[in-house]
This record gives sequence, structure tokens and C-alpha cells, in this order.
Amino acid sequence: QSALTQPASVSGSLGQSITISCTGASSDLGDSKYISWYQQHPGKAPKLLIYDVSIRPSGISYRFSGSKSDNAASLTISGLQAEDEADYYCSAYTTRDILYVFGIGTKVTVL
Amino acid sequence: EVQLVQSGAEVKKPGESLRISCKGSGYIFTDYWISWVRQMPGQGLEWMGRIDPTDSFIKYSPSFQGHVTISADMSVDTAYLQWHRLRASDTAVYFCATQRMAYPFYFDSWGQGTLVKVSS
Repeated sequence: QSALTQPASVSGSLGQSITISCTGASSDLGDSKYISWYQQHPGKAPKLLIYDVSIRPSGISYRFSGSKSDNAASLTISGLQAEDEADYYCSAYTTRDILYVFGIGTKVTVL
Repeated sequence: EVQLVQSGAEVKKPGESLRISCKGSGYIFTDYWISWVRQMPGQGLEWMGRIDPTDSFIKYSPSFQGHVTISADMSVDTAYLQWHRLRASDTAVYFCATQRMAYPFYFDSWGQGTLVKVSS
């Protein structure tokens, strides 16, 4: 069912910055400003990090930022910390019957 | 603070029925949609459907339509996900999540997840 493509894994050293990409068809990402990102630690529920492409909810660290260009969205984690090691999912609201599509997820490893 | 508390893990046999629950607290239950999201073992997230607790209007993902039933009881601030005939492929963790009624484009808060294992 996944309609959005993400790299399976991304790694970086403590303090570095990494970027996770999220690509999809124009029908899913191209026209949508409703892109969100979620963080999921093993055995835990997902947690909203970013919505509307680049807005951080209250309580989310400024180290997380989002952007979008055409059919690609990105999540950047700056100043990588050990607790950032988790799975990250992008999501888009679509006008298709499925309404919400998720990416396959990216495992972030902190070296 | 919005809190969603889900029912506990279940072990069932193929063909059996099951209903799991998601109880909301800390907010006005009818101000948010409740969505259900599946996560199969080692896999990503899949949106299953959502319900408006006020009038029980439901939208299902085509992938799940006909196999699950979503419902809600606003008198107890609880949403439900139900199967009439489970399959082994239903083995997964199921999450409920809230979406603002007026701006339902992302999932604000999540329940802790309910593990459903279906095995003969």
C-alpha cells in the first residue's frame, strides 16, 4: 500500500546533520502541502515531528526541519543526538480514496 | 493533554472475531477524528480508516474496506476496530490516532498500540 519512497536507512555521526528524502507521484506529493513526518522508536507509537511540510508542533526540537520541492519532501535532523536513532516516516494527505499514504520508513543510525 | 489508551494484546485463531478499543481523554472526544493505522511485523505504517465520533461517519481505505469495521461510542469516549473473521495476515500492531476535525491532514496524537496475533 505504501506510495511514498524513502531510503531504507541513513546514518550519521553525533553532531552531524542528515536528510531523509520522501518521493512520490505528483498525485500524492506534487500538489500537496499536507506532508507530515513521524518518529518511531522500537516498540513505541509514532510521534508527530512535522506537519504542513515544515511546521513543528509545540515541544518538538528545532533540530528537526522539513521542506518540499515538487514531488519530493525532506526531513533534516541537525546536531544528531543518540536519542534520534529511530525509524522515520513521511506521510501525505491525498485526494485519492486512500486519503493518507505513508512512506516505507527510514531507519536512522547514530554512529 | 490528549491521551489515547488502547486495549491489551490479543492472541486469536484464524476465523475468530475480535474488537479492540481506543479510549480518549484530556480533550473533547468529538472534536477529533479517530483513525486506525496498521503496522505489520517489521513493516511500515498503513492507514486503515477514520471515524467522526459525532455522527459515526466513516471513511475506509480501499485496502481495508469490507474486512474491518470501525465504530465509536462517544458516551464513553472510545473508538473500536473490529474483525468478524480474522486471518493470519491480520497479525500486526494497530494504532489509533487523532486528527483535528477542522484540519485532519496529519495525526496529532497516537495510542500506544495493540498487538494482534492470529495463529492456529
